[in-house]
Amino acid sequence: DVKVTQSSRYLVKRTGEKVFLECVQDMDHENMFWYRQDPGLGLRLIYFSYDVKMKEKGDIPEGYSVSREKKERFSLILESASTNQTSMYLCASRRVNSPLHFGNGTRLTVT
Amino acid sequence: SQQGEEDPQALSIQEGENATMNCSYKTSINNLQWYRQNSGRGLVHLILIRSNEREKHSGRLRVTLDTSKKSSSLLITASRAADTASYFCATLNQAGTALIFGKGTTLSVSS
Repeated sequence: DVKVTQSSRYLVKRTGEKVFLECVQDMDHENMFWYRQDPGLGLRLIYFSYDVKMKEKGDIPEGYSVSREKKERFSLILESASTNQTSMYLCASRRVNSPLHFGNGTRLTVT
Repeated sequence: SQQGEEDPQALSIQEGENATMNCSYKTSINNLQWYRQNSGRGLVHLILIRSNEREKHSGRLRVTLDTSKKSSSLLITASRAADTASYFCATLNQAGTALIFGKGTTLSVSS
């Protein structure tokens, strides 16, 4: 069974802090994705990665960066956290042209 | 950019009743996927329907696709309290590189 693990379920950070959200998958999937989910807005794509060291901007990349140094790990970085980045962050992975497998999410609060 | 839009936003039914959710999308597609999200968890893939299919079944789920109307519907028959969740449709973005989700339908099934 595919497992996508996000390192934290809940995270509280202060404005201006650099924040790292980690995601690991155990099925050798090529593609990995970061979404954020907000009430009334649904899921919005932040960044995704086709393969190791490759990354593509999604619909809302501003204020975020990503790192994919190893195939199994995809990190989302908030360079300088702001209150409008308070959200649920969902990581997902898949084989090419296959359905997505999601982690359970990280609920980030920026105060 | 939101590709799919679900309707209704919220649906409340009794156990044993059928639940129908609709999804409309904007551009041509190769396939359309439905996902479920239990409260506070990640999304789980339910079913994929290809553009050359009109109907697909999986257990108590029935999905239809009408490409001429750019719409899909998800029917859950004989619903159970455990079906309480949010349901999302998803299609590929225009580049064909990532899934874009609608805002979801929240289904409540009471016993």
